[in-house]
Amino acid sequence: EDKVVQSPLSLVVHEGDTVTLNCSYEVTNFRSLLWYKQEKKAPTFLFMLTSSGIEKKSGRLSSILDKKELFSILNITATQTGDSAVYLCAGGNAGGTSYGKLTFGQGTILTVHP
Amino acid sequence: GAGVSQSPRYKVTKRGQDVALRCDPISGHVSLYWYRQALGQGPEFLTYFNYEAQQDKSGLPNDRFSAERPEGSISTLTIQRTEQRDSAMYRCASSLAAYGLAALEQYFGPGTRLTVT
Repeated sequence: EDKVVQSPLSLVVHEGDTVTLNCSYEVTNFRSLLWYKQEKKAPTFLFMLTSSGIEKKSGRLSSILDKKELFSILNITATQTGDSAVYLCAGGNAGGTSYGKLTFGQGTILTVHP
Repeated sequence: GAGVSQSPRYKVTKRGQDVALRCDPISGHVSLYWYRQALGQGPEFLTYFNYEAQQDKSGLPNDRFSAERPEGSISTLTIQRTEQRDSAMYRCASSLAAYGLAALEQYFGPGTRLTVT
């Protein structure tokens, strides 16, 4: 059975801190690793990672994938209160009849205090 | 449309009633996915469509759950004879393509919060 595990489950920091969120995965026919930010409404897409060792960056957020160790991290530098959210990672299946199926982790709850 | 929309946003129903949840994907998106999200958990896959064809329904919990997308656009997830354990957030997502990386880049709607009393 496909499995994605995130750690820590929750994190409380102060503005300006740097945080690292972890995601490990075991996904059949793995094709990509996705990160989402979930606030009060829909999860919003952050990154899709397909190749090992290539960092993707968007502003203060960056992410990298290690396909040998089945692991990804999401870094947020100089955190702001607006970064407070649940961060979800998901493994993407690209094989057989389950093509396109995302298996999600349980999420990391990030709280940034002023 | 600008994004994935779902209706109703909130639904309270009594045990034993049937409910229908609607999803309107991003215009032009070929694939549509249904997920269920319990409190404090990530979304869990239920089923997905490639145009009007239901390609995978392995995540549907039992035969009380069904979904359709008759014209390859709007989809309806129906739960018959609801039970309290069906209470959850039901989310819909869509992607531009059926295959390739574009199939995995999924955009989510706001969800329908279902409460069965």
